[in-house]
Amino acid sequence: EAGVTQFPSHSVIEKGQTVTLRCDPISGHDNLYWYRRVMGKEIKFLLHFVKESKQDESGMPNNRFLAERTGGTYSTLKVQPAELEDSGVYFCASSRAGTGGNTEAFFGQGTRLTVV
Amino acid sequence: ILNVEQSPQSLHVQEGDSTNFTCSFPSSNFYALHWYRWETAKSPEALFVMTLNGDEKKKGRISATLNTKEGYSYLYIKGSQPEDSATYLCAFPTLGNMLTFGGGTRLMVKP
Repeated sequence: EAGVTQFPSHSVIEKGQTVTLRCDPISGHDNLYWYRRVMGKEIKFLLHFVKESKQDESGMPNNRFLAERTGGTYSTLKVQPAELEDSGVYFCASSRAGTGGNTEAFFGQGTRLTVV
Repeated sequence: ILNVEQSPQSLHVQEGDSTNFTCSFPSSNFYALHWYRWETAKSPEALFVMTLNGDEKKKGRISATLNTKEGYSYLYIKGSQPEDSATYLCAFPTLGNMLTFGGGTRLMVKP
């Protein structure tokens, strides 16, 4: 089966611009997560979808970040307007069941976002 | 706030050396402990999901142990090879389904 795919793999934008990241989860995986790794720090949770519903968005840093998962398939994460501190690697992961137990998450290769 | 700590932060070993690193996590409200292997520009890949105290899991030259009572897990690599060079991440899931990651151990194996 195809893995989790993310697009683009790299993005360089200027401060104040808008960027939209896309994630295509593994087919049949209802659970979709966004995580972010800022340089030198841990990978941190952003939010969790179950199908098209936001289950938990407690990790979203502020209202410049907007995630959607229309139709419960692919998801987008929009940053508008981008700030320098938004630079990092944005990972998407999917799982058939929630990862609160012993279910592994399948990760995409990440989108490396650089805001200049 | 959950604290998941990994040590060391980085490790340089020679090809053929065996090595190990540690992940410590809260011992209360334990559900599982995940280990991932991440090469830059690639997808983090699940190595193990461990759930039972005393568990030991093995995949080729890599193995992991789990102590839920004291809140730690060890990852061992026997006879390190250059292709083992990667960042090894542990993650602690919560009932809310999010993973809390440690900072990772960056392993570099010199030929």
